[in-house]
Amino acid sequence: QVQLVQSGAEVKNPGASVKVSCKTSGNTFTTYHMHWVRQAPGQGPEWMGIIYPSGRTQYTQKFQGRVTFTRDTSTSTVYMDLSSLRSEDTAIYYCAREPASSMEGQFSFDYWGQGSLVTVSS
Amino acid sequence: QSALTQPASVSESPGQSVTIPCTGTSSDFGPYNYVSWYQLHPGKAPKLMIFDVYKRPSGVSNRFSGSKSGNTASLTISGLQAEDEAYYFCSSYATTYTYVFGTGTKVTVL
Repeated sequence: QVQLVQSGAEVKNPGASVKVSCKTSGNTFTTYHMHWVRQAPGQGPEWMGIIYPSGRTQYTQKFQGRVTFTRDTSTSTVYMDLSSLRSEDTAIYYCAREPASSMEGQFSFDYWGQGSLVTVSS
Repeated sequence: QSALTQPASVSESPGQSVTIPCTGTSSDFGPYNYVSWYQLHPGKAPKLMIFDVYKRPSGVSNRFSGSKSGNTASLTISGLQAEDEAYYFCSSYATTYTYVFGTGTKVTVL
């Protein structure tokens, strides 16, 4: 059974950084593309970027310079680090798995983590 | 890239059908048919319901169907059941590293 288990809720001050983890199971870590998506209160989801099994990353322009995705091979965990937090970053952050090239369902997200609420408030 | 447009809410009685439109521009959808739909119950992980416009993952009820015409994709839920009450959002992959999501729709089963 595919599982993506995320870290718990965080409360941060403006200007701080937050690191959210997403522990994967099975062959997810070595085979699938991993994305980060956030959903702010009252808004639709927003794509943040992707990290490939190779470790290569691509971020949407909005978050360039402020977000970093990393991965830990020893624990099959991917991480999302967002810095210089502001109130507008208050959102639920999700990791999501995308089937790789040549797999059916590429460009969709077949499994998601349960979400990690990040609240930015002074 | 702005969000795809969905109605904020739709409601219908059990056993009836609802259709949720997801409207964008030609640049939101690109030349591809990579539209997917997700179901979200509060506090749970989103669930993939439809991919590639109309394909259903294994285990998803055939009461859920997808379609696309021009710049509008749609999700139809037939034979509404209480468990279908949830938030639904669409997603489109339009071009390299460009994933766009819908504004989301709350489905209420009356």
